[in-house]
Amino acid sequence: AQSVTQLDSQVPVFEEAPVELRCNYSSSVSVYLFWYVQYPNQGLQLLLKYLSGSTLVKGINGFEAEFNKSQTSFHLRKPSVHISDTAEYFCAVSESGGSYIPTFGRGTSLIVHP
Amino acid sequence: GAVVSQHPSWVICKSGTSVKIECRSLDFQATTMFWYRQFPKQSLMLMATSNEGSKATYEQGVEKDKFLINHASLTLSTLTVTSAHPEDSSFYICSVQSVSGSYQETQYFGPGTRLLVL
Repeated sequence: AQSVTQLDSQVPVFEEAPVELRCNYSSSVSVYLFWYVQYPNQGLQLLLKYLSGSTLVKGINGFEAEFNKSQTSFHLRKPSVHISDTAEYFCAVSESGGSYIPTFGRGTSLIVHP
Repeated sequence: GAVVSQHPSWVICKSGTSVKIECRSLDFQATTMFWYRQFPKQSLMLMATSNEGSKATYEQGVEKDKFLINHASLTLSTLTVTSAHPEDSSFYICSVQSVSGSYQETQYFGPGTRLLVL
């Protein structure tokens, strides 16, 4: 079984500053990795995903993430955040070749201050 | 990505009544749908996996007689909270996935349904 750890429950940052949201996972098999964003009172929106190929994945809204197999990490980054990026971010992992049912992290609340 | 709708988005009901929530896959045939529950400031808790034409598979600790799931077609799954009580108040989110094709590896989520039981 796989597990996901999001090390930071809350990340405050000023507008236009860079941000990194950390995600580490554990699994005994190959994995697929995902980042989802959830705005208040809404469902989850897929930001980006890693299935195979290039370890640097670019997603929507200027976000990107890098899959690091040796460190079992999939950190999410954005070079310059906006107020509108304030939301909850969830990292998820599923086993490739399995049921594809993801395991979610506890979430990181990104708070962008003006 | 796939477009998923949920109805209603908000529901307030009295204790003891039953509430039905619909989840629709609008642009592809979802062989598998999932129902999640989310408490404030917490992650998603998978309640059950729903496969079209068969009985749902419930996660440990989820009462199947309490949370009835029907996946009657490839585009519609329903969750009925029977005899709802205040502790059932929560945010319920569905997601869809396909066993083949471009939507195979990824879950796409609906906008969620906020249930408040008085």
